[in-house]
Amino acid sequence: GAGVSQSPSNKVTEKGKDVELRCDPISGHTALYWYRQSLGQGLEFLIYFQGNSAPDKSGLPSDRFSAERTGGSVSTLTIQRTQQEDSAVYLCASSLVKGWDTEAFFGQGTRLTVV
Amino acid sequence: TQLLEQSPQFLSIQEGENLTVYCNSSSVFSSLQWYRQEPGEGPVLLVTVVTGGEVKKLKRLTFQFGDARKDSSLHITAAQPGDTGLYLCAGVRTGANNLFFGTGTRLTVIP
Repeated sequence: GAGVSQSPSNKVTEKGKDVELRCDPISGHTALYWYRQSLGQGLEFLIYFQGNSAPDKSGLPSDRFSAERTGGSVSTLTIQRTQQEDSAVYLCASSLVKGWDTEAFFGQGTRLTVV
Repeated sequence: TQLLEQSPQFLSIQEGENLTVYCNSSSVFSSLQWYRQEPGEGPVLLVTVVTGGEVKKLKRLTFQFGDARKDSSLHITAAQPGDTGLYLCAGVRTGANNLFFGTGTRLTVIP
């Protein structure tokens, strides 16, 4: 498809387990963002990749969170030793960065539930 | 502490009423965007404002960027039930490229 694809759409995991969330951005988009959204709330910035530059990891809430973007395309967000407070919807977005024009196109998200 | 604060957080109004949502920050932004999100979906862009003082209209929606490029407002005229959703402002800070989102305003328009 032409849009941002995220998988899985839903993930239920036991506390303490590791999880991997995947994002396939729109082809050709150089920027990729991960956000976390708690129920009905705004988006919490996690990490930003732009081309070959070092990612902006300033939003990652702890060292249990990490993300990679391989080949400038697919990205994986990994949460180690999951905790119940990690339960949220994880949204990925991609964009073409053209000066100020950074319209972000979002996937439908991965709903993570830690039990 | 959120970079972009929106108010109100929740808003429930009758069909036909007008409303304004505010997005405020102490930081300067090179551009500011408004998105709308429906349940189970990702946010979708409504508008981007770039110039301080800029006003953009999208049918019944009017967006304004503050003169100092630190704040923005969204005004909806004659709200309709189809306007129901979560409204999010988002900004690109001057000198950066990553996109920060506001705290969100959940709007419910009652028929």
